[in-house]
Amino acid sequence: GENVEQHPSTLSVQEGDSAVIKCTYSDSASNYFPWYKQELGKRPQLIIDIRSNVGEKKDQRIAVTLNKTAKHFSLHITETQPEDSAVYFCAASMIETSGSRLTFGEGTQLTVNP
Amino acid sequence: KAGVTQTPRYLIKTRGQQVTLSCSPISGHRSVSWYQQTPGQGLQFLFEYFSETQRNKGNFPGRFSGRQFSNSRSEMNVSTLELGDSALYLCASSLGDRGISGANVLTFGAGSRLTVL
Repeated sequence: GENVEQHPSTLSVQEGDSAVIKCTYSDSASNYFPWYKQELGKRPQLIIDIRSNVGEKKDQRIAVTLNKTAKHFSLHITETQPEDSAVYFCAASMIETSGSRLTFGEGTQLTVNP
Repeated sequence: KAGVTQTPRYLIKTRGQQVTLSCSPISGHRSVSWYQQTPGQGLQFLFEYFSETQRNKGNFPGRFSGRQFSNSRSEMNVSTLELGDSALYLCASSLGDRGISGANVLTFGAGSRLTVL
C-alpha cells in the first residue's frame, strides 16, 4: 500500500519568514495530494490540494509543488504569521480507486514566533 | 450549510466494553470516511462508506466496524475495547462520486475523543 513520509516533524520560524514542509510517497499511481492544517484542539481543514497533472498550485501565501518523477511534494508558506502555527499533514491517494482513502504523513508542528 | 457533526464528542469506557460513534455528513455528501488519530500513529484510515456500502477498508482488526444509513449518516462501532483504542476518531464526508473533480475532497468533523481505562 501507499506510504507517505513527512519532514520535518517540527519547524520553528520567525514571523515573516517562509516555511517549507516536504513529503514523499511510495505509490507512483497516487494522483491526488492534499494538505490539511490542524490547529490545537480543532479538526483538520483542507488548505490546498494538487493533482498529478499539475506541477504547482498557489493560493495567496500558500503553494504546493509536485515532482512526480521523484515522488515528492512540498508545501510552501510565505510571510508566515502567528496564526499559521498548527500541525500540517500531507496526504496521498489515487482518486479512481482509493476514493476518500487518504494516506497521511505523520504531521509537522509549525510554530511561528512573533 | 451545516458541517460534519460527530457525537458524542467525549466518552470514557473501560476495557472490554463496546462503543458506538455517530457521524452526520454535510447535506448532499454520500461518502463518509472514518479515521483514527493518535499522537504516535497520526491519522489512520479505518473505512469508507458510500451509498450504504463499505467501499474501502483500512488495516484495523474486525473489532472495528461501521455502517451507513440511507440518509448517509454513519456509525462506527468498536467492540471489546482495548487500552490502545484510546484516540480521537474523526469522521469526514465528501461527495464521493469518483471521477468528478472535487468529489473526493474531505471535510472533517470535530471528532469523538475516546478514552479507554
